[in-house]
Amino acid sequence: AQSVTQPDIHITVSEGASLELRCNYSYGATPYLFWYVQSPGQGLQLLLKYFSGDTLVQGIKGFEAEFKRSQSSFNLRKPSVHWSDAAEYFCAVPNFGNEKLTFGTGTRLTIIP
Amino acid sequence: ETGVTQSPTHLIKTRGQQVTLRCSSQSGHNTVSWYQQALGQGPQFIFQYYREEENGRGNFPPRFSGLQFPNYSSELNVNALELDDSALYLCASSGGAGTNTGELFFGEGSRLTVL
Repeated sequence: AQSVTQPDIHITVSEGASLELRCNYSYGATPYLFWYVQSPGQGLQLLLKYFSGDTLVQGIKGFEAEFKRSQSSFNLRKPSVHWSDAAEYFCAVPNFGNEKLTFGTGTRLTIIP
Repeated sequence: ETGVTQSPTHLIKTRGQQVTLRCSSQSGHNTVSWYQQALGQGPQFIFQYYREEENGRGNFPPRFSGLQFPNYSSELNVNALELDDSALYLCASSGGAGTNTGELFFGEGSRLTVL
């Protein structure tokens, strides 16, 4: 089965600073990959997804992610974070179908003024 | 807002009891998936229903069961509750087989506490 690892449990970033959240996947072939965000008291929302093609993927809310096969990574980036970006971020990979996802353990993002 | 609604939002049960959680899918979606999210963890796939049939199951025991109704709403039932069942239960709807977008639309979840 495919899996993803998020090495960072908690990251703190100053408002306006750049952000990179790490995600590593384990799968031999080219995987499908997703980033979801969970804001406090809310359900998960899809930020972006990678299926194939261009390795740099643009998402909502100014986020982007780059698929790097050589590093088995799909890191999430944002050039300038806003206080509203404080949330839990999950990387995910499908198992047994694109809509049956295996999630990483998540990275909690804290924004400081 | 995703259009996926779950009820109840919070509930407390004791060990050995049974619980039913409900989910109304987004309009036009025929597939519902259920996930369990323990505190500090990522969601774990329980099972998926497509057109009223179970369409895949994660590593959960048979005491976790579900239903999907003709209007595509769904129920998650858990029998013989254990302390470790305490978690946020998330329902997600999607367009289903053939659409293959991989995008799930999640509700806000039902927080279950087992004492």
